[in-house]
Amino acid sequence: EVQLVESGGGLVQPGGSLRLSCAASGFIFSNYWMTWVRQAPGKGLEWVANIKQDGSERYYVDSVKGRFTISRDNAKNSLFLELNSLRAEDMAVYYCARVPDAPDAPRTDFWGQGILVTVSS
Amino acid sequence: QTVVTQEPSLTVSPGGTVTLTCASSTGAVTSGYYANWFQQKPGQAPRALIYYTNYRHSWTPARFSGSLLGGKAVLTLSGVQPEDEAEYYCLLYYGGAQGVFGGGTKLTVL
Repeated sequence: EVQLVESGGGLVQPGGSLRLSCAASGFIFSNYWMTWVRQAPGKGLEWVANIKQDGSERYYVDSVKGRFTISRDNAKNSLFLELNSLRAEDMAVYYCARVPDAPDAPRTDFWGQGILVTVSS
Repeated sequence: QTVVTQEPSLTVSPGGTVTLTCASSTGAVTSGYYANWFQQKPGQAPRALIYYTNYRHSWTPARFSGSLLGGKAVLTLSGVQPEDEAEYYCLLYYGGAQGVFGGGTKLTVL
């Protein structure tokens, strides 16, 4: 059974940093692109970033470029998202998800349950 | 800045049929955008329904179908059930597995 479990969320002040983790199980993690998607309170989904199987390619939405870093540790079946210089508009539930068949024919299938990041002073 | 547009809200009667659309600011949506559709209920994570425009996941009920029509990606629900009341999001890919979500359609079954 594919499982994705996010952790590391919480309350952080504007300008602060946080590191989110996503523990994967039930599939061969190193075979898949992975992605982070976020959802601000009461708003829609926003694609944030994705990463190739070996970490050699990473893509970001413009609003987080230079502030967020996606990474992975295939030995530990884990995906990460480093959030720096956080702003109020970064407050959201962050989801990790699996992306089979990327980049030629991408699709997003399994999702984690999400983790809340609150940015407030 | 690419924008993907969906109807903000739709209402359908139980047993009826409803069509949700997904348009791209870059022009006609084609199969090369690998349109995905997701369902999200309050307090839950999104659940994948459709990929590659018209492929159902193994868990997706047959009443959900995807297609392209009039330059848009389309999600059709036939024989709508009360449990289909939810928010629906489309996701289009623009190369390098970089995606853009639509704003979502709130579907009410009434």
